[in-house]
Amino acid sequence: EAGVTQFPSHSVIEKGQTVTLRCDPISGHDNLYWYRRVMGKEIKFLLHFVKESKQDESGMPNNRFLAERTGGTYSTLKVQPAELEDSGVYFCASSQVDWNQETQYFGPGTRLLVL
Amino acid sequence: AQTVTQSQPEMSVQEAETVTLSCTYDTSESDYYLFWYKQPPSRQMILVIRQEAYKQQNATENRFSVNFQKAAKSFSLKISDSQLGDAAMYFCAYRSGTASKLTFGTGTRLQVTL
Repeated sequence: EAGVTQFPSHSVIEKGQTVTLRCDPISGHDNLYWYRRVMGKEIKFLLHFVKESKQDESGMPNNRFLAERTGGTYSTLKVQPAELEDSGVYFCASSQVDWNQETQYFGPGTRLLVL
Repeated sequence: AQTVTQSQPEMSVQEAETVTLSCTYDTSESDYYLFWYKQPPSRQMILVIRQEAYKQQNATENRFSVNFQKAAKSFSLKISDSQLGDAAMYFCAYRSGTASKLTFGTGTRLQVTL
């Protein structure tokens, strides 16, 4: 069974540019999460999808971040325009429907550097 | 809001020895779950062990065990017979019983030496 995959693995962009990160969850997982780790700090929750619906987006930092999950399969996280403080590692995780017993399976992350 | 604190940014252990990683958390909830995740260099994060707060018995997974002290809000990870493959970043995480998002600590980088 394929794990959670993320693309790209690395991205270097200039301030003001747009970047789109993609996450493919494990097949059959309805729950999809985005997290972010800024250098040296804790991993922070961004948002949670259940299928195509946003269940919790309380961690989204501002309206420069837009997450979508059309069709309830893969998800994209767009940052537009990117700022220096957006640099970090963006993790995606997925889990099965019964989240009370869930294990969240993480992808390898996308390392974003904004110059 | 819940917080998770890992006070050891780096730890080192010799192969075959035992090491304990510390984690404390703050919550007013009674129903919650605690996790230890491991992220090896350049690889994805995997779950090492989980503990349900309502269970008094400490969770164990092979060489990995926890010391869960609910009253003290402490959740340390003990790695016995350390192996080179245990070298990784270890993250402690909390999840409320009523929400699915994880709250992480800042991580502890574990080195395993020969």
